[in-house]
Amino acid sequence: QLQLQESGPGLVKPSETLSLTCTVSGGSISGSSDCWGWVRQPPGKGLEWIGSVYTSGATHYTPSLKSRVTISVDTSKSQFALKLSSVTAADTAVYYCARHLWTYKWYFDLWGRGTLVTVSS
Amino acid sequence: QSALTQPASVSGSPGQSITVSCTGTSSDVGSYNLVSWYQQHPGKAPKLVISETDKRPSGVSTRFSGSKSGNTASLTISGLQAEDEADYYCCSYAGTITFGIFGGGTRLTVL
Repeated sequence: QLQLQESGPGLVKPSETLSLTCTVSGGSISGSSDCWGWVRQPPGKGLEWIGSVYTSGATHYTPSLKSRVTISVDTSKSQFALKLSSVTAADTAVYYCARHLWTYKWYFDLWGRGTLVTVSS
Repeated sequence: QSALTQPASVSGSPGQSITVSCTGTSSDVGSYNLVSWYQQHPGKAPKLVISETDKRPSGVSTRFSGSKSGNTASLTISGLQAEDEADYYCCSYAGTITFGIFGGGTRLTVL
């Protein structure tokens, strides 16, 4: 069955760029959904949607992070990626990638296990 | 836009029913039947338990149900079991600028 797996550095220095990749396995990234997203969760806190990317490459971001976020997709590799620039300690969180059912729906039905990213010098 | 409002905690005994509320505004919960609910056990990824306000995904127990009235959505869990003890988050579509927002989460304790 379809599985998602996040990968990337677990430690990022303040002011640098956080980069994560989500690999979709067990099926085609294009065939199973038209939209894929990133959600984060600071330690001990709630969930926050970061943004999502269509397999066409179109993107949507949450307004509070829009100036620092870039999400891209590489269908040939069945991967989509997150870049968050100018990070601070407030960006320390578990980052999840997820399949995002968007059109007339708007929910996340399949999640990766999550990866903790700590922002610290 | 502020997070949707959920109670910090709810509790119930095995076999009982509980309801978790999720209060938004006329710009999100009140305008769209696009509320979803997620169950999260400690150290685990969230799991979808309700989509589109009241639809139960395949494989989710029939003890979980969703509803909405005005700007408030609700998740009801009937016949509480120990395994239901977890954090629960609501999420709503909020239009073409904000797109989507989560609630702050509710910790369910099974007594």
